[in-house]
Amino acid sequence: KNQVEQSPQSLIILEGKNCTLQCNYTVSPFSNLRWYKQDTGRGPVSLTIMTFSENTKSNGRYTATLDADTKQSSLHITASQLSDSASYICVVSGGGGYQKVTFGTGTKLQVIP
Amino acid sequence: EAGVAQSPRYKIIEKRQSVAFWCNPISGHATLYWYQQILGQGPKLLIQFQNNGVVDDSQLPKDRFSAERLKGVDSTLKIQPAKLEDSAVYLCACSSWGTHEQYFGPGTRLTVT
Repeated sequence: KNQVEQSPQSLIILEGKNCTLQCNYTVSPFSNLRWYKQDTGRGPVSLTIMTFSENTKSNGRYTATLDADTKQSSLHITASQLSDSASYICVVSGGGGYQKVTFGTGTKLQVIP
Repeated sequence: EAGVAQSPRYKIIEKRQSVAFWCNPISGHATLYWYQQILGQGPKLLIQFQNNGVVDDSQLPKDRFSAERLKGVDSTLKIQPAKLEDSAVYLCACSSWGTHEQYFGPGTRLTVT
């Protein structure tokens, strides 16, 4: 069964601090992995996308890593800002079927002053 | 490039009533998705269209939910009759041929009382 699990479920950090979110998946065959940011009341917005051959991808203060052997990914946020408060969703493509995707349940991040 | 448009943004109905949501995807994006996102959870795929044909509707409660994508452009999702557990945000997303990058609309927040 294709699954994507994220941890922690929620996280509170102080503004300016760094944090790392985790994503483990069992999707096979694997096509790519994306991290989305979802602000409250809005649709998800893509942050990074990585294929099998990529093990790191950066987008400003966001850096995603991928270990395709262990089927793990992480999203590291550097020097957090209040605007980083959102849900972060890990999405894995693959697992058979045309453009099939599996969503994680997300990590809710709250950055406090 | 214009984004994905959805309407209405909010809808409150009583149980057993009917409701319809509309989605206008990005021009030229052949694949269209409808997701249901219950508070605190990741999006759950309801139905996936490739042009005006259904690719995956395995998680669509077909006794009450229906969707169509006439002419392979706009799409509507209907619930008839609604239940309390249908309260959620309904997200529309699209992607262009051969890619896995999905672009999401702002969603429609449905409250069933």
